[in-house]
Amino acid sequence: SQLAEENLWALSVHEGESVTVNCSYKTSITALQWYRQKSGEGPAQLILIRSNEREKRNGRLRATLDTSSQSSSLSITATRCEDTAVYFCATSNTGANTGKLTFGHGTILRVHP
Amino acid sequence: EAAVTQSPRNKVAVTGGKVTLSCNQTNNHNNMYWYRQDTGHGLRLIHYSYGAGSTEKGDIPDGYKASRPSQENFSLILELATPSQTSVYFCASGLGGLQNTLYFGAGTRLSVL
Repeated sequence: SQLAEENLWALSVHEGESVTVNCSYKTSITALQWYRQKSGEGPAQLILIRSNEREKRNGRLRATLDTSSQSSSLSITATRCEDTAVYFCATSNTGANTGKLTFGHGTILRVHP
Repeated sequence: EAAVTQSPRNKVAVTGGKVTLSCNQTNNHNNMYWYRQDTGHGLRLIHYSYGAGSTEKGDIPDGYKASRPSQENFSLILELATPSQTSVYFCASGLGGLQNTLYFGAGTRLSVL
């Protein structure tokens, strides 16, 4: 089974609305990252949140991390059509200094005009 | 601008044939990674490298070899391609460490017939 996974396969919102993507993971981590993948492109990092942090912001994006429940969320406010993409959470695991990331299956977000 | 470039972008191969996917990075990162992406599985790590001359097995290495002849180049080799290896392959580079950010190429779509 996946060590990290998003809770929903797909979400759909209208432009201007807010949306939250959730992720759960199964191992002790040093950091959790959120990536976005637009159609025809490779994933690109949005936010990195360390295990000793509870919240991180990047413009319209806000990530939270709850190590007690082993979960994270990524919220996007004032969504735009260009936010349409697949959103992945990815974890770096303690004890493995390889730089390897374990990705979830991704949540497809569609933002409609 | 630093980048990760993959070639070819699209490839059709025959079952039993040899396929080489190439990746070049100008980020001057020590670590490089090969992932495959399939619907329902997210991104799964095939092989990775800590630097020129090194290759390490990832989570799903069977049927794949890797080669890192220089800091900049990392190849993925399918000696005997099978239809189950039809997928989208992504190369990434990173500095490594416990909070590693990955920088991805645009992907290679491989179809094995």
